[in-house]
Parts: sequence; C-alpha cells; structure tokens
Amino acid sequence: QVQLQESGPGLVKPSETLSLTCTVSGGSISGYYWSWIRQPAGKGLESIGRIYAGGSTNYNPSLKSRVTMSVDTSKNQFSLRLTSVTAADTAVYYCARGRGHCIGGGCSYYFDFWGPGTPVTVSS
Amino acid sequence: QSALTQPPSVSAAPGQKVTISCSGSSSNIANNYVSWYQQLPGTAPKLLIYENNERPSGIPDRFSGSKSGTSATLGITGLQTGDEADYYCGTWDDNLNTVLLFGGGTKLTVL
Repeated sequence: QVQLQESGPGLVKPSETLSLTCTVSGGSISGYYWSWIRQPAGKGLESIGRIYAGGSTNYNPSLKSRVTMSVDTSKNQFSLRLTSVTAADTAVYYCARGRGHCIGGGCSYYFDFWGPGTPVTVSS
Repeated sequence: QSALTQPPSVSAAPGQKVTISCSGSSSNIANNYVSWYQQLPGTAPKLLIYENNERPSGIPDRFSGSKSGTSATLGITGLQTGDEADYYCGTWDDNLNTVLLFGGGTKLTVL
C-alpha cells in the first residue's frame, strides 16, 4: 500500500518561501505524477501543480510565477517551494499520487493516494 | 469560484439514496473523465470514483458515478451516518490543461 507523508515548517513569515517535502513509501516514485493540493480552512480543494517522476512539471496558472516543484527519485521524495507567501497561502497542504492518460474519450486524471496533510500558517 | 459547480449541501435520512451533481462545460466534463473524492471531517480526501464510474478496490458499490454531457453525478445508496462528509468532483480541463480542476464541494448531512 502506497503511503505519502508531508513534512515541513508549520509557520512561515509573510514574503518568505514555503518549502514542503512529501516522502513516498510502499511503492516507487517512478512512473507516476506527484501533486500538491491545498485547502484553506473551511474551503475547497485547489490544485497547485504536479511533477512527473522524470521531472517535467505543470503548475496552476494562478500560482505559476511563485511555484517550483522538484523530485528526488533516490529518496522517493518530491518537494514544493512557494515564494513570496501571504496570509492567503495559509492552508492545509496535501501531497498526492496522480494517475492519468489521454485516450479517444478524453483525458483521465485523478489522485488515488493522498498524504494526511500538513497545516501551514503564514504569519509574522 | 470554481468552474465546476456543486450544490453546497445535500441531506437525506439513513438508508435513503442521495445524488450530488457536478456541472461543468464543454472544455472539462463534456470532453474528459470525472473523479469523485470523499473528505471525512479532519481527514484527507479519499478517491471514491475515477473515470466517471469506476470504483477503486475497497469502495463499496453503494457509491456510483455517472456522466452525461457537461454534468456528472455521484450517487450514494443505503446512506449511513459514516457517509457524512464533504464530496468533491474533479476533472481535466482542456483550457487549463495543467492540473486537476475541483468542484467547490458538497456537504452531505445524514439526518
């Protein structure tokens, strides 16, 4: 059974950089997409972006200028950096495994395994 | 405001059936596959349905999914108090073409 675990500081100061790591166990990081999703308190889910095991990335256009994702296959980890944070970036951050493909009927993409989430507060 | 519209809340009695709708457009639901996620209070989301109507291993057949045109529907039969949760739809969007698009979520109350 694949398991994911987020780690990183729970408190970040405004204008600084949020850095989180997700460690994958119970399976290889190769061959899948790996994503970050966030959820402000009492609100819905927002996709931040994804990275393929080979290193290619896709980011939510609304966050693209501030987001960088990376992967370390030797450690079975992938990471998120979000720069110039504000209070609006306060949320629970989840990492998840993405699976998908595009065929005649369209594109299928979904998250089959999730980490438990880590709360991040942006405050001075 | 999400490009996928879900009702904020639905409710039904134990043992009954409930449906949750997810309305989109030609650039997302109409052309692509839909997934559904259950988020119990204080926990991470869990995959319930993928590729419109497929259930992952371990998900009971009380949960079902369907899609027609620009809308998708999650159905839950034999409601249990343990089904009380937030439910989210998700799909690919041809215009965004980068990340999964989520609906705003629906709070299910089992009365």
